Amino acid sequence: AQKITQTQPGMFVQEKEAVTLDCTYDTSDQSYGLFWYKQPSSGEMIFLIYQGSYDEQNATEGRYSLNFQKARKSANLVISASQLGDSAMYFCAMREGLNNAGNMLTFGGGTRLMVKP
Amino acid sequence: DGGITQSPKYLFRKEGQNVTLSCEQNLNHDAMYWYRQDPGQGLRLIYYSQIVNDFQKGDIAEGYSVSREKKESFPLTVTSAQKNPTAFYLCASTDPGLQPQHFGDGTRLSIL
Repeated sequence: AQKITQTQPGMFVQEKEAVTLDCTYDTSDQSYGLFWYKQPSSGEMIFLIYQGSYDEQNATEGRYSLNFQKARKSANLVISASQLGDSAMYFCAMREGLNNAGNMLTFGGGTRLMVKP
Repeated sequence: DGGITQSPKYLFRKEGQNVTLSCEQNLNHDAMYWYRQDPGQGLRLIYYSQIVNDFQKGDIAEGYSVSREKKESFPLTVTSAQKNPTAFYLCASTDPGLQPQHFGDGTRLSIL
């Protein structure tokens, strides 16, 4: 089974509107972390936001927020007030806690976001 | 500025040739990673290293080799045994714990 699933291969959003990018995960660990990265066309991976499994509050970082629903095993990224520069690939990733001394991440397949002017 | 430097940005490999991708970091991170990304896909882990002189295979290590002789450096060699090496390669590093991995700008490898 996929550990990280991003079901939206591509999405369009109008500039200045909000958009939600979906991410569901699968783990039996109680301790884990969820990360979102942005990858522009130039290729670098930019860290956006992190949510720990024990965090009671949803993470926020500027225009980015994470809608964390632990029982549903979802960690959706919400981008408010979209800008043209938000057009990129977005990846959800998970670090599981147990037996992961290497701090390894598992990545989803990504969602390509396109912001329309 | 602290960061991760990957070189070269573009690399071409001939049949039967080994090529080495460079990754250097000045973030003083203990752990370093190599990922492969195919077009339109997510990242897959090739190798990782938690400390100097130690490294572990990831999910797709066949046809690749690494070394970790210095904390700052984690070069990846794509050997002739890797039959489909055309991809985008990303190097990352991190501190222990639930810290985000920091990435370099990547190397695009193609076959001539």
